[in-house]
Amino acid sequence: AQSVTQLDSHVSVSEGTPVLLRCNYSSSYSPSLFWYVQHPNKGLQLLLKYTSAATLVKGINGFEAEFKKSETSFHLTKPSAHMSDAAEYFCVVRGEYGNKLVFGAGTILRVKS
Amino acid sequence: GAGVSQSPRYKVAKRGQDVALRCDPISGHVSLFWYQQALGQGPEFLTYFQNEAQLDKSGLPSDRFFAERPEGSVSTLKIQRTQQEDSAVYLCASSSRSPPLAGLRDTQYFGPGTRLTVL
Repeated sequence: AQSVTQLDSHVSVSEGTPVLLRCNYSSSYSPSLFWYVQHPNKGLQLLLKYTSAATLVKGINGFEAEFKKSETSFHLTKPSAHMSDAAEYFCVVRGEYGNKLVFGAGTILRVKS
Repeated sequence: GAGVSQSPRYKVAKRGQDVALRCDPISGHVSLFWYQQALGQGPEFLTYFQNEAQLDKSGLPSDRFFAERPEGSVSTLKIQRTQQEDSAVYLCASSSRSPPLAGLRDTQYFGPGTRLTVL
């Protein structure tokens, strides 16, 4: 079965410094992977998705993620954090039969001024 | 156009009451999903519809949970005889195509959720 593990429950960075949110996946086949962001009292928003077209995926708001099969990782990065990036981020893998999404436990990103 | 909408946004129920949560997907979207997000956790899959057909209900935690989508558009998640452990945010998502036609590139769009508190 597909699963994802988010290695940090909380990450704190200063505004203007790089962001790294770590995610490892487990899949019996080439996975479809996503990062979603959830701001307080708002719905989940798709940041980016990997579907085997390219290993480096660029998303919205300056975020990107790199698929590394050898490391079974799909870490999310951003060169310079902004205060508005403070939110909870979920690493997600699509289920085996292509319908349901399997979410990680989430990483709460705090951005300090 | 309008995104996925859910109502009510907040619901407080006494233990033992029945509740009904509504989801209005994006117009024309074939697939509809329900997820449950407990406090401090990631969302967990409950059930999936393709048009009016419920194709996967493997995530429903008990027979107190029931979902329907009779006309292939609006969906209702019903919880009977609510228990405190049912307290969570219930998320609805829709996507435009259904597996296997969707392949691996379709996106699920989420609503804001309904926060259910059972006292």
